[in-house]
Amino acid sequence: DTAVSQTPKYLVTQMGNDKSIKCEQNLGHDTMYWYKQDSKKFLKIMFSYNNKELIINETVPNRFSPKSPDKAHLNLHINSLELGDSAVYFCASSRKGIHNEQFFGPGTRLTVL
Amino acid sequence: GNSVTQMEGPVTLSEEAFLTINCTYTATGYPSLFWYVQYPGEGLQLLLKATKADDKGSNKGFEATYRKETTSFHLEKGSVQVSDSAVYFCALSPRNTDKLIFGTGTRLQVFP
Repeated sequence: DTAVSQTPKYLVTQMGNDKSIKCEQNLGHDTMYWYKQDSKKFLKIMFSYNNKELIINETVPNRFSPKSPDKAHLNLHINSLELGDSAVYFCASSRKGIHNEQFFGPGTRLTVL
Repeated sequence: GNSVTQMEGPVTLSEEAFLTINCTYTATGYPSLFWYVQYPGEGLQLLLKATKADDKGSNKGFEATYRKETTSFHLEKGSVQVSDSAVYFCALSPRNTDKLIFGTGTRLQVFP
């Protein structure tokens, strides 16, 4: 009965590869997010979607492309991976509306070699 | 712009000690303020929040008061436990948006 789940938990890959991270929430929320946490634990929003519509797109390289097939899923596809993409990526979701609690997934640790 | 500044860690305490983790913010207008906690190997969980000036958020013995005059939202707990060891993130959400802007996090280590 996990609320926000991500797969895979760990991802190790070579530079230049293309990879995807999947996220699913079973909370019935309308809004989903992707965050990146770097090695110093700094956490920054990348994207948010509301009911499959892109709402927030921070200054993220266009190698990163979120895809929301339905409001319970928000996947993150990364093309041409670079060393600097190594980080922990967190998916989150919340009810529609401002200042609502965001529920986070367990994270995906991406290591680019 | 909007930003959050937290005290650098790690904060190291003995069990039952008093905890304060400082957080100040810069924001346009009046944001909502949050504390999230990240236990080892897990995602973030909301600890408490306050949506307007002078509000006090509280949960699990932790408290923080929204101080507009000092633009602060310091986290306090009267008696910490070993199980409180985690990374604590202060965050703000600007008005009219659901975006969260996080501080850099403060690691708390509590020893028996």
